[in-house]
Amino acid sequence: DIQMTQSPSSLSASVGDRVTITCGASQSVRSFLHWYQQKPGKAPKLLIYDAVTLESGVSSRFSGSGSGTDFTLTISGLQPDDFATYFCQQSYSTPLTFGGGTKVETK
Amino acid sequence: EVQLVESGGDLVKPGGSLRLSCAASGFTFSNVWMTWVRQAPGKGLEWVGRIKREIDGGTIDYAAPVKGRFTISRDDSKNTLHLQMNSLKTEDTAVYYCTTGFQNGYSYWGQGTLVTVSS
Repeated sequence: DIQMTQSPSSLSASVGDRVTITCGASQSVRSFLHWYQQKPGKAPKLLIYDAVTLESGVSSRFSGSGSGTDFTLTISGLQPDDFATYFCQQSYSTPLTFGGGTKVETK
Repeated sequence: EVQLVESGGDLVKPGGSLRLSCAASGFTFSNVWMTWVRQAPGKGLEWVGRIKREIDGGTIDYAAPVKGRFTISRDDSKNTLHLQMNSLKTEDTAVYYCTTGFQNGYSYWGQGTLVTVSS
């Protein structure tokens, strides 16, 4: 199975900050890497798919980069609605696997 | 509008069985692969398994912790996805989501249904 490792597991930030979350894969997943946002009690929301493609309707302050084993989600100009938990997921091979999550909290 | 609505979650004793359903609408159900994802209380997301569309062979893949105990099926005539869960364990306690997408990544999710396995 491909292991997905996110860092940090949590971070504190302020509105307007630039936030970077990393996701590492135990082996190459090419560009089959996706990012989700989840708020308490809600289903996850797809933000970025195929490492760099912004999902329709998602704010352009979210961006993704990377390929192979190393990936990054960047939030440029954190907004109050962005305080949430973020997960990466690989769909290169089964079983599809998620990272452990990064909780973005208010400083 | 795409909608996924899960049902069937309940409190069940260890060793028991439960069948979850996911009613889909707003898209051509038979054209997509469907997936179950679960989330234990306070924990991260865990992929449970997926079923491909019939034109792709209808292949089903499972995560190791549920293989041999859970069965995913689909009824394209009723636009419904099922998850039959047998020999339930306490560690199967979670919110179960059905999900799908029209490209890579899961764009659409249900609201989730809670399964609690406890004596």
